[in-house]
Amino acid sequence: QLLLQESGSGLVKPSQTLSLTCAVSGGSIISGAYSWSWVRQPPGKGLEWIGYIYDSGSTYYSPSLKSRVTISIDRSRNQFSLKLGSVTAADTAVYYCARNYVDYFDYWGQGTLVTVSS
Amino acid sequence: DIQMTQSPSSLSASVGDRVTITCRAGQSIVSYLTWYQQKPGKAPKLLIYDASRLQSGVPSRFSGSGSGTDFTLTISSLQPEDFATYYCQQSHSTPLTFGGGTKVEIK
Repeated sequence: QLLLQESGSGLVKPSQTLSLTCAVSGGSIISGAYSWSWVRQPPGKGLEWIGYIYDSGSTYYSPSLKSRVTISIDRSRNQFSLKLGSVTAADTAVYYCARNYVDYFDYWGQGTLVTVSS
Repeated sequence: DIQMTQSPSSLSASVGDRVTITCRAGQSIVSYLTWYQQKPGKAPKLLIYDASRLQSGVPSRFSGSGSGTDFTLTISSLQPEDFATYYCQQSHSTPLTFGGGTKVEIK
């Protein structure tokens, strides 16, 4: 059974960089069939796709966040990461990592709440 | 970006009711439409992909239909564990986008 687990700072100051990691277990992150995504959900609101990465390192980002986002992959540790720069209160959300199969999300992490506050 | 519009945004229903949720895309997405169920404090769960294909392990009371711009999720007989929020998502093109959600509440 594939498991995804997010980790990282739960509190980030405005203008700083949010950093999260998603550890994948029960399967390899190296697979041409899948990509690996970050999705977020502000409290009480809907879902927003941030971007994804293939094991080749190719990335696709949402245009609305592209200037501030970097997704990277660490094949040796079977994990991938998210960095979101210049955060504001609007970036407060539960952040999920997920596996994409043909652009739908079939496995999700449990999510981690990141609060942007001074 | 392809805008996804769900209706209604919320509904109240009783156990045993037939429930229908609609999702409309801003342009044709063929059949690249996925449905998820989300319960409070939990990650979304994949229910249906490619508009009508049931994910393994999902009860057969869930079904999906539609193509082009108009899609429907139907729960044939609502069960207590089905009270949740449902989201549609298009996978026709990036950026991947979700509908605003439909909250199914107990009447």
